[in-house]
Amino acid sequence: DIVVTQSPDSLAVSLGERATINCKSSQSVLQNSDNKNYLAWYQQKPGQPPKLLIYWASTRESGVPDRFSGSGSGTAFTLTISSLQAEDVAVYYCQQSYSSPWTFGQGTKVEIK
Amino acid sequence: EVQLVESGGRLIQPGGSLRLSCAASGFTFTNYWMTWFRQAPGKGLEWVANIKQDGSVKFYVDSVRGRFTISRDNAKNSLYLQMDSLRAEDTAVYYCAKVGDYGWKVDYWGQGTLVTVSS
Repeated sequence: DIVVTQSPDSLAVSLGERATINCKSSQSVLQNSDNKNYLAWYQQKPGQPPKLLIYWASTRESGVPDRFSGSGSGTAFTLTISSLQAEDVAVYYCQQSYSSPWTFGQGTKVEIK
Repeated sequence: EVQLVESGGRLIQPGGSLRLSCAASGFTFTNYWMTWFRQAPGKGLEWVANIKQDGSVKFYVDSVRGRFTISRDNAKNSLYLQMDSLRAEDTAVYYCAKVGDYGWKVDYWGQGTLVTVSS
């Protein structure tokens, strides 16, 4: 199984400042056949289901604000919130769909400083 | 508008069986892989099972293989999760979700249904 690890477990950022979350996979999630990284990012607010933010490591889902961006390839990935807004307080998860079983990172809780 | 509505969650004793349902609307159900996830109270997300458009291919996480069965009824636009031999560690909110057109992205999630396994 691919183990996915996020860091940090939590972070507090001032409004308008940048938030950065890291995600590492125990093996590459880069599919050679299409040169795509099968890594997605989800946002989950309390009492709500997760919401897809980013797929293919860096493709923003339709309707997601452009302050959210994803980067990385192979085994190391980053989710960046360029200017934190109050509504961004949530837990963020990365997830690989390169191979079964699909696996998630443990989550990163983002709060306002 | 895509809607996924789960039902069937309740308190059940260890060793019991439960069938979860998910009613889908707002998209052509037969065109998409569907999936179940779960989230134990206060914990992270866990993928449970996937099913292909025609039901011919299914995948499961090891911890439920042999106890859980994913299925679908395309005529009823419905997804199911039959859960047998339930254990305390199966206690979680179970989410039904739709797999997108590409990238194996999970683009829509239901609100979830709570399964509590306890005596």
